[in-house]
Amino acid sequence: EVQLVESGGGLVQPGGSLRLSCSGSGFAFSNYHMFWVRQTPGKGLEYVAGIHDNGINTYYVDSVKGRFIISRDNFENTLYLQMSGLRPEDTALYYCVKSGPDWAFNGDNWGQGTLVTVSS
Amino acid sequence: EIVLTQSPATLSLSPGERATLSCRASQFVNINHLAWYQQKPGQPPRLLIYATFNRATGIPARFSGSGSGADFTLTISSLEPEDFAVYYCQQRTLWPRTFGQGTTVEIK
Repeated sequence: EVQLVESGGGLVQPGGSLRLSCSGSGFAFSNYHMFWVRQTPGKGLEYVAGIHDNGINTYYVDSVKGRFIISRDNFENTLYLQMSGLRPEDTALYYCVKSGPDWAFNGDNWGQGTLVTVSS
Repeated sequence: EIVLTQSPATLSLSPGERATLSCRASQFVNINHLAWYQQKPGQPPRLLIYATFNRATGIPARFSGSGSGADFTLTISSLEPEDFAVYYCQQRTLWPRTFGQGTTVEIK
């Protein structure tokens, strides 16, 4: 059974940093592209960042470029999101998402999410 | 960025009724790149329909998808009690992938 378990969320002050982790199991982690998706009541669901299976190619939504870094450790089966320069509008539930094969929707899997709150 | 606009925002229906949900894109979306998700409180989104027409594993036949170009539809032929939830369309033709703002199907 595929499992994705996020951790690292919490309360942080504006301008602060946080690193999210996502531990994957039950599948060949190194064979799948991965994403971070966040959700807020106001803005809904938003793709924040994506990374190729090989960890080389990465993608970011404009609002986080230069502040967030997505990375992965295929030996530890772990996905990361290093967040810096955090803003109140980054407050959200952050999901780790495994893509289906070859970026497809079919076969995707979602974690339960980790909550990030940016507030003074 | 491709903006997806879903309508209506809320659909109030009774069990057994038919639900028709719309998703309109701001530009062309490849039919292989359009999906529908269902989300219930406290849970992550769950894939229902991928590549416009195809039901994901374990999804009942009462769920169907259609459309092309920039107009897509999710139909639930006869609502069951467990179908009352929020539904999102999503595209992956262009990065960033985007979601619609959601349609809430509520019990009338």
